[in-house]
Amino acid sequence: KNQVEQSPQSLIILEGKNCTLQCNYTVSPFSNLRWYKQDTGRGPVSLTIMTFSENTKSNGRYTATLDADTKQSSLHITASQLSDSASYICVVSGGETSYDKVIFGPGTSLSVIP
Amino acid sequence: DAGITQSPRHKVTETGTPVTLRCHQTENHRYMYWYRQDPGHGLRLIHYSYGVKDTDKGEVSDGYSVSRSKTEDFLLTLESATSSQTSVYFCAIRAPLDTQYFGPGTRLTVL
Repeated sequence: KNQVEQSPQSLIILEGKNCTLQCNYTVSPFSNLRWYKQDTGRGPVSLTIMTFSENTKSNGRYTATLDADTKQSSLHITASQLSDSASYICVVSGGETSYDKVIFGPGTSLSVIP
Repeated sequence: DAGITQSPRHKVTETGTPVTLRCHQTENHRYMYWYRQDPGHGLRLIHYSYGVKDTDKGEVSDGYSVSRSKTEDFLLTLESATSSQTSVYFCAIRAPLDTQYFGPGTRLTVL
């Protein structure tokens, strides 16, 4: 079954610290992997997208990595800010049928505290 | 936000009543989606559309119907709302490379 798992479920860090969020997937065939940020009460917003041949992609203080062999991705946030408090969702495109082409992970809830 | 709006943004209704949620886009995208988001679950696909009058079911379509009579509008209808349909509903469009842009969401409470 095509699945996307994320860890940890939630995380609290001090402002200015770094953190890393994990994503494991079993989606096959694989097309691409994206990380989204979802602020409370809003829709998800895309941070990065990576295809099979890419191992890293940066967007400001956000850096995503992809290991297609182990089917793992991580999102590293550098020098966290209070505005980074949000849910971070890993999304994998692929799969055998038309509607399971986009599979969402459950998200990691990040809280950045002063 | 790719010009996506949803209405209403909040709704409280009673069990057994019909409810229609509207998604409107301004950029002429062919693919549109309805998802629901519940605590502990990733976004789950309800229905999607690949063109005017062309729709198909997602993984959690029971109790929902959709219609798309114009490119810009995608309607989600709960024929007879149940408490299990209390959720936050997101509409999305598909852009190149499968990137999706989401609307702001509709919070629906069924009492």
